[in-house]
Amino acid sequence: GPKVLQIPSHQIIDMGQMVTLNCDPVSNHLYFYWYKQILGQQMEFLVNFYNGKVMEKSKLFKDQFSVERPDGSYFTLKIQPTALEDSAVYFCASSTDRASDYTFGSGTRLLVI
Amino acid sequence: GDSVTQTEGLVTLTKGLPVMLNCTYQTTYSPFLFWYVQHLNEAPKLLLKSSTDNKRTEHQGFYATLHKSSSSFHLQKSSVQLSDSALYFCALSDPTNTGKLTFGDGTVLTVKP
Repeated sequence: GPKVLQIPSHQIIDMGQMVTLNCDPVSNHLYFYWYKQILGQQMEFLVNFYNGKVMEKSKLFKDQFSVERPDGSYFTLKIQPTALEDSAVYFCASSTDRASDYTFGSGTRLLVI
Repeated sequence: GDSVTQTEGLVTLTKGLPVMLNCTYQTTYSPFLFWYVQHLNEAPKLLLKSSTDNKRTEHQGFYATLHKSSSSFHLQKSSVQLSDSALYFCALSDPTNTGKLTFGDGTVLTVKP
């Protein structure tokens, strides 16, 4: 079936540096999401995005976080600057509408050292 | 806010036995309920979903019934297989809102020969 691709699959970065996580959603999907998962624990909602705008964000979506999807390219999550507690697996997901089934990517494993 | 409770963190069973993974929720609206399965280092995949009270939904041998009276959506299977070993998440969403999913803490199911 259709897939969500996440690039890179792993990233190690020094604390304080900037990182951009890339997501290539399913082509006809209009809603995009980022979730954070620490050590195989609970998946936690970060943000969702539709029509070029953030629709909702959680308290985990700190001021250092930003999302965009310029000109229909990758849907990106940028963290600037990174902190040690940002180490986690970040999952991107997309859906055709807000009540539809998600397609999740395989995640980007981010390690901040 | 919304919450999902999964009481078992870890379930270990012998192949061929039945299993039930508990899921209860709290919300102020009429939600969609989901079960996602996540194998090691893979993306979460939708297993079951429902928004209809007292109707059993089935997929790949797993089944669940949404009971709004008890706010429950327990996952069951009559005979587990080795390949069922994975992390199982219960989640809910408000279909009239932004499509955000609220996940439970997850249950690790380990099936032994």
